[in-house]
Amino acid sequence: NAGVTQTPKFQVLKTGQSMTLQCAQDMNHNSMYWYRQDPGMGLRLIYYSASEGTTDKGEVPNGYNVSRLNKREFSLRLESAAPSQTSVYFCASILGRGGMETQYFGPGTRLLVL
Amino acid sequence: DAKTTQPPSMDCAEGRAANLPCNHSTISGNEYVYWYRQIHSQGPQYIIHGLKNNETNEMASLIITEDRKSSTLILPHATLRDTAVYYCIVRRIAGANNLFFGTGTRLTVIP
Repeated sequence: NAGVTQTPKFQVLKTGQSMTLQCAQDMNHNSMYWYRQDPGMGLRLIYYSASEGTTDKGEVPNGYNVSRLNKREFSLRLESAAPSQTSVYFCASILGRGGMETQYFGPGTRLLVL
Repeated sequence: DAKTTQPPSMDCAEGRAANLPCNHSTISGNEYVYWYRQIHSQGPQYIIHGLKNNETNEMASLIITEDRKSSTLILPHATLRDTAVYYCIVRRIAGANNLFFGTGTRLTVIP
């Protein structure tokens, strides 16, 4: 039982390049989230998926797209990376709902955009 | 979700109890108090949550005041591995799906 896995662990991109961050969970949870974490700003929600096939915007969705292909996987895509997207990205898988939720986080992807 | 206020940093001697306070004076009746922590370079980790009553699990205890305007997370015997940033979060039963983590309390356990 690996919990939540994320790939890659580190990535360096040039401005304008694209990439996809992968996230997978083996806990059979319905909901999954993508956050970004910047120094002094805590975690901010980018997109979330309440169930397979559904996605919704979070607090900071601009410049990102997501795909929930199946229950296990929730990917985050940067179509044209910008230096402002330099951050640490965390994927979370959620047990429970409606305020009674426990979030299980992956180890993160550290992204540097030059 | 109600706003929370935490001290930016605290120290605790190894083996002693670490008591981390959180103020959530605008909390409403249908909001839970959650605690997460983040050890350096890792993803956040769930610790405990509660509504009205005090709660205890294998990691920590959560003491919520009777008026629910503040709470304290207690790590009974802090170890060096408990050095982390601790986040107190207030979460509605229904509504937005995300957790607002804020900036938390940086706990340093000192040998």
